[in-house]
Amino acid sequence: QVTLKESGPVLVKPTETLTLTCTVSGFSLSNARMGVSWIRQPPGKALEWLAHIFSNDEKSYSTSLKSRLTISKDTSKSQVVLTMTNMDPVDTATYYCARIGVQQPFDYWGQGTLVTVSS
Amino acid sequence: QSVLTQPPSASGTPGQRVTISCSGSSSNIGSNYVYWYQQLPGTAPKLLIYRNNQRPSGVPDRFSGSKSGTSASLAISGLRSEDEADYYCAAWDDSLSALWVFGGGTKLTVL
Repeated sequence: QVTLKESGPVLVKPTETLTLTCTVSGFSLSNARMGVSWIRQPPGKALEWLAHIFSNDEKSYSTSLKSRLTISKDTSKSQVVLTMTNMDPVDTATYYCARIGVQQPFDYWGQGTLVTVSS
Repeated sequence: QSVLTQPPSASGTPGQRVTISCSGSSSNIGSNYVYWYQQLPGTAPKLLIYRNNQRPSGVPDRFSGSKSGTSASLAISGLRSEDEADYYCAAWDDSLSALWVFGGGTKLTVL
């Protein structure tokens, strides 16, 4: 079955760079027309889309965060990596990775990982 | 401030029918599909409706979606206690501000 799992630090300091990894199984990152997105949710707040990457390596970013984000994938390892630079306490959130299925965006989600930004 | 506008809360009693609205603009709902997600407390969101009114396999037909112009709605009939959750709408946005946009979420309480 399809699963996604996020991993990374639970605590980062202000100005540091966050690196999160999404490890997928049950599908290949080389599957045509499929991709993976990163989405975050501050405590008690709404979902916010961050970035996505498709099997053909097409990438897109939220305009408001574009200067701070980099998304990449390693198909052989079934991993998608998101880096976010210059972290700030307002970036404290649960970070999810989700599959972009054919016709069904965000059809499978990881469990999420809570990242706290604090000195 | 979310690009798509949802009421912050909704409620109903078991068996009732409730609707949750989602308002957008011509660059998102007006020209693209709408998707709905259910987030039970402490869990990741789950795809509930795709392409305005389609249900993924396993989603009960008590859940239905519709779209008209720049607005969309999620309807839940035969309300059950396990439907108590946060509901989010989402759509692709053709403007420069963002690509995928979400609503602010609606907390549904089953009284």
